[in-house]
Amino acid sequence: GDSVTQMEGPVTLSEEAFLTINCTYTATGYPSLFWYVQYPGEGLQLLLKATKADDKGSNKGFEATYRKETTSFHLEKGSVQVSDSAVYFCALSDRHNFNKFYFGSGTKLNVKP
Amino acid sequence: SQTIHQWPATLVQPVGSPLSLECTVEGTSNPNLYWYRQAAGRGLQLLFYSVGIGQISSEVPQNLSASRPQDRQFILSSKKLLLSDSGFYLCAWREVGQASYNEQFFGPGTRLTVL
Repeated sequence: GDSVTQMEGPVTLSEEAFLTINCTYTATGYPSLFWYVQYPGEGLQLLLKATKADDKGSNKGFEATYRKETTSFHLEKGSVQVSDSAVYFCALSDRHNFNKFYFGSGTKLNVKP
Repeated sequence: SQTIHQWPATLVQPVGSPLSLECTVEGTSNPNLYWYRQAAGRGLQLLFYSVGIGQISSEVPQNLSASRPQDRQFILSSKKLLLSDSGFYLCAWREVGQASYNEQFFGPGTRLTVL
């Protein structure tokens, strides 16, 4: 079945450091891919998305490229801020059943000033 | 613009007591609606989803149930809570028809503690 695997956290970085959070997926066909962010005590917010191979999603300085050949959707940011501290979830949507969303286990990011 | 509300924001209930969590969506019609549970430090588990009034699909057998009495209202219930029901409950919606992305949008969540 479909699944998403994320790198385990927590990830601790200093402000202005480069961020990479790895995400790989298993799916039949070509799913849509998403990154969500969850700040403490809040719901999930959609950060970025991509629907087909080589699509690049971007938002608020974050980027992720849909890599079909490596079945990956790694999240990157060139210079993190303390305000980026949150839990990040990678997710995929099954094209055969749009009601099926598969989430990774989440990666906690701590950014120190 | 669309907004999604959940209440209560926090709830502390004794074991064996009933539960009712409510979710409403504004600014859209005939959305697909979802209930997720997030245990402490864990990922999200899909509990139920609904594609229309009175239509409920259950993903995980347990002592919870869901209902959709109105187009934009989704309710999560239990007759008798268990300790294992503690967690962060998230409601989400998806706009039907935008199949190219089909992203889900989440509410602020309800923190449930069962003692």
